[in-house]
Amino acid sequence: SQKIEQNSEALNIQEGKTATLTCNYTNYSPAYLQWYRQDPGRGPVFLLLIRENEKEKRKERLKVTFDTTLKQSLFHITASQPADSATYLCALDIGGGAGNMLTFGGGTRLMVKP
Amino acid sequence: DADVTQTPRNRITKTGKRIMLECSQTKGHDRMYWYRQDPGLGLRLIYYSFDVKDINKGEISDGYSVSRQAQAKFSLSLESAIPNQTALYFCATSDSRGQSNYGYTFGSGTRLTVV
Repeated sequence: SQKIEQNSEALNIQEGKTATLTCNYTNYSPAYLQWYRQDPGRGPVFLLLIRENEKEKRKERLKVTFDTTLKQSLFHITASQPADSATYLCALDIGGGAGNMLTFGGGTRLMVKP
Repeated sequence: DADVTQTPRNRITKTGKRIMLECSQTKGHDRMYWYRQDPGLGLRLIYYSFDVKDINKGEISDGYSVSRQAQAKFSLSLESAIPNQTALYFCATSDSRGQSNYGYTFGSGTRLTVV
C-alpha cells in the first residue's frame, strides 16, 4: 500500500540549533513534494515545494532535500527559534499527469525551547 | 479578509442530522478540496473539484457529498451525521496554472462534533 511516514513523536530541540525532520514514502513516484507548517487549530500553511529533479531547495532558514532513490525528504530549520514550534507536514503530489492531488503525512511536532 | 473562508468555525450537531460546511475563496483558484483531519491520521482527502463542472471522490467520500456552486464556492454536506465524523475539516484551493510552484491555500478549518 502507499504510505507517507513522518516521525509521530515530537522533536524537542534547543533554540539556535538546527531542526531536521524526516519524510519517508513508499510506492509513490511523486512529481514533487511539499512541506507545510500547521499551528494548533489552524489550517496548514505552505512553506516549500521541491521537484523530483531537484536535490535541494532553500528559503531563508529553511532547507529541503529530496532523494527519490531513498524515497525520502529532509526538512531543516537552521538557527531555530521558539516561534518555529509547530507541526510540520510533508505532502506528495500523486496526481501524475492529471494534476496535483496531495497526500499528506501525519506530521511531526517540533518544540523549540528557549 | 481571509483568502479561504470556512463557515462555521465550530459546530456541534446530533447524530442523524444533516449538516453543511461552506467554503468560499477569493484567490481566483480553479481547484478546491475538502480534507478531514483526525489526531494521528493526518489529513485525508474527502472530495475535490478541478473546476465548476468537475467533482471527484477522494480517499474517504462515504457519508459525504459536495456541491461546487461557483468557482469560488465549494460546500461539503454530511447527509446523516454520525459520531465518527467528528473531526477538523479543512477546505483548500490551488491554481492549476501555478501548481508546480505553489502549494495549497487552506482555510482555518471547521471543528465538527457529532453527539
